[in-house]
Amino acid sequence: AQSVTQLDSHVSVSEGTPVLLRCNYSSSYSPSLFWYVQHPNKGLQLLLKYTSAATLVKGINGFEAEFKKSETSFHLTKPSAHMSDAAEYFCVVSDWGYGNKLVFGAGTILRVKS
Amino acid sequence: GAVVSQHPSRVICKSGTSVKIECRSLDFQATTMFWYRQFPKQSLMLMATSNEGSKATYEQGVEKDKFLINHASLTLSTLTVTSAHPEDSSFYICSARDPLADSYEQYFGPGTRLTVT
Repeated sequence: AQSVTQLDSHVSVSEGTPVLLRCNYSSSYSPSLFWYVQHPNKGLQLLLKYTSAATLVKGINGFEAEFKKSETSFHLTKPSAHMSDAAEYFCVVSDWGYGNKLVFGAGTILRVKS
Repeated sequence: GAVVSQHPSRVICKSGTSVKIECRSLDFQATTMFWYRQFPKQSLMLMATSNEGSKATYEQGVEKDKFLINHASLTLSTLTVTSAHPEDSSFYICSARDPLADSYEQYFGPGTRLTVT
């Protein structure tokens, strides 16, 4: 089975400091991995995706993530947090071996302090 | 990018009534759509996969007679919550896959908040 573990339920950073949201996955095949962001009462927006190309993936709004197969990790980073980054972030895994279904992590709420 | 809409965005209904939620792909034809449920402060859980012209595939534990899914066209899927009860109150989100795009990516609707009183 495939699964996703987001290691932190809440992360708090100061504006202008780096962001690190951690994600580990489990999959028996070759997974695709995604990060989605959800602002309060809004739908999900895709930040970035990894689909077996370059292991360092750049997304929107300055976010990036690195796929590390040996560590089964796909951590999300951003060099400098902005107030508008405050939201909930979901790490998601999908695998052709499981019908390309998306499996969501529990989510990490990012708080940005001024 | 691909756009998916949902209607209504919010609905309040009385216990025992049925509620229909629509999910539309606005600028692409979606052969496959998905329905998720999100409880407060929790992650999204896949309820069912909807394929145009065929019966939906429900995830384990989801009552297919309670959550009726119809995918009658390539741009529209509906979820009907039948005989709704307060425990059905939740945030329902649909997504759609564009068969001409990346096979893994799903485009999400903005969600429908259902409150059953």
